[in-house]
Amino acid sequence: DAGVIQSPRHEVTEMGQEVTLRCKPISGHNSLFWYRQTMMRGLELLIYFNNNVPIDDSGMPEDRFSAKMPNASFSTLKIQPSEPRDSAVYFCASSFGHGYTFGSGTRLTVV
Amino acid sequence: GESVGLHLPTLSVQEGDNSIINCAYSNSASDYFIWYKQESGKGPQFIIDIRSNMDKRQGQRVTVLLNKTVKHLSLQIAATQPGDSAVYFCAETGDSGGSNYKLTFGKGTLLTVNP
Repeated sequence: DAGVIQSPRHEVTEMGQEVTLRCKPISGHNSLFWYRQTMMRGLELLIYFNNNVPIDDSGMPEDRFSAKMPNASFSTLKIQPSEPRDSAVYFCASSFGHGYTFGSGTRLTVV
Repeated sequence: GESVGLHLPTLSVQEGDNSIINCAYSNSASDYFIWYKQESGKGPQFIIDIRSNMDKRQGQRVTVLLNKTVKHLSLQIAATQPGDSAVYFCAETGDSGGSNYKLTFGKGTLLTVNP
């Protein structure tokens, strides 16, 4: 199993641009989570899906952030428009039950 | 203004020594706990887990202890190796009506192993 696959690994974009982060969960996992990690705030849960349905998006910072999971094998996290304070490492994780597996993350830099 | 980063607790040990990393949690309803290891540039990696009906669980070179009375969790690493250098996070799930699968992470502890 290739694990949770995230792309891109690194993204540098200008303020105001749209950014799309992608995640392919482990096959058979029915829950998917998006986390953001910064030095200031540590690991924060943004949103999670169960069976492709968003369950809790209370961690999404504001309307500029949106996430979709059109099928069991793919999810996106979109930021539009991006701002410098969105710079962080964004992790996707998937699970079946309690056991989470994290991807390698996308390091986003907004300049 | 000056930004203030997240000040991680740090633990520095000599290679071969045993390490103990501690974690306090606040939700008395939490029923499942996990320790993760995060190396630089990588995502958190599962180390060991424990359910609330247990006090101790052992893995390979690692032991997790759970004290529900004082809401305290610890990770013991035996014969610590340079490859153990990383940030270690504890995580918990609270039993709050449908949120069983949502993990809450602690701030992490930076472990440095000196050769």
